[in-house]
Amino acid sequence: DTGVSQDPRHKITKRGQNVTFRCDPISEHNRLYWYRQTLGQGPEFLTYFQNEAQLEKSRLLSDRFSAERPKGSFSTLEIQRTEQGDSAMYLCASSYLTQRSGNTIYFGEGSWLTVV
Amino acid sequence: GQQLNQSPQSMFIQEGEDVSMNCTSSSIFNTWLWYKQDPGEGPVLLIALYKAGELTSNGRLTAQFGITRKDSFLNISASIPSDVGIYFCAGPVNDYKLSFGAGTTVTVRA
Repeated sequence: DTGVSQDPRHKITKRGQNVTFRCDPISEHNRLYWYRQTLGQGPEFLTYFQNEAQLEKSRLLSDRFSAERPKGSFSTLEIQRTEQGDSAMYLCASSYLTQRSGNTIYFGEGSWLTVV
Repeated sequence: GQQLNQSPQSMFIQEGEDVSMNCTSSSIFNTWLWYKQDPGEGPVLLIALYKAGELTSNGRLTAQFGITRKDSFLNISASIPSDVGIYFCAGPVNDYKLSFGAGTTVTVRA
């Protein structure tokens, strides 16, 4: 299966520490997205890349968050100085925009972050 | 912003039953997506709908894109235990961002 893969799947960290998540998208997809999901809610958009360019960032993405996609392949999402409110599932997704399929987005398995 | 309202919020189903859930929007969508999420996992795409009035099946699942383009329905026929999970509808706010409903939690009654 060559779906979207994320690592690590689970991370527990102390408040104030930095964490980094990695995402490998579906290989032929040119778009990569990061979403955040808290319990009882649907995913919320954070940011996306078209190839290596980061084209949009949600206001949910504070300056402690940074995402990169060097060379337009895998992506990393780093959270600096974590806070308890950062505890959530961080979902990576990818897509290939076409006229027929529009922008059908496929999600990875998610990375659970718990800040203690 | 665009809001998606899913109903019911949760449901208990008997194995073998047919069930239905829906999603309504305050705005028009040109695509509707239905995802299923198991505990601790990411959402898995079930069905994508691209045209108003479209009816699409995926095994025991059938979804319809409402003709007003403001709603969509998902039906599960002959439910089985592995149908438990949270079902989300989603629609594109623009060409890169999806808006999700809050989900319908399905539990199978023993």
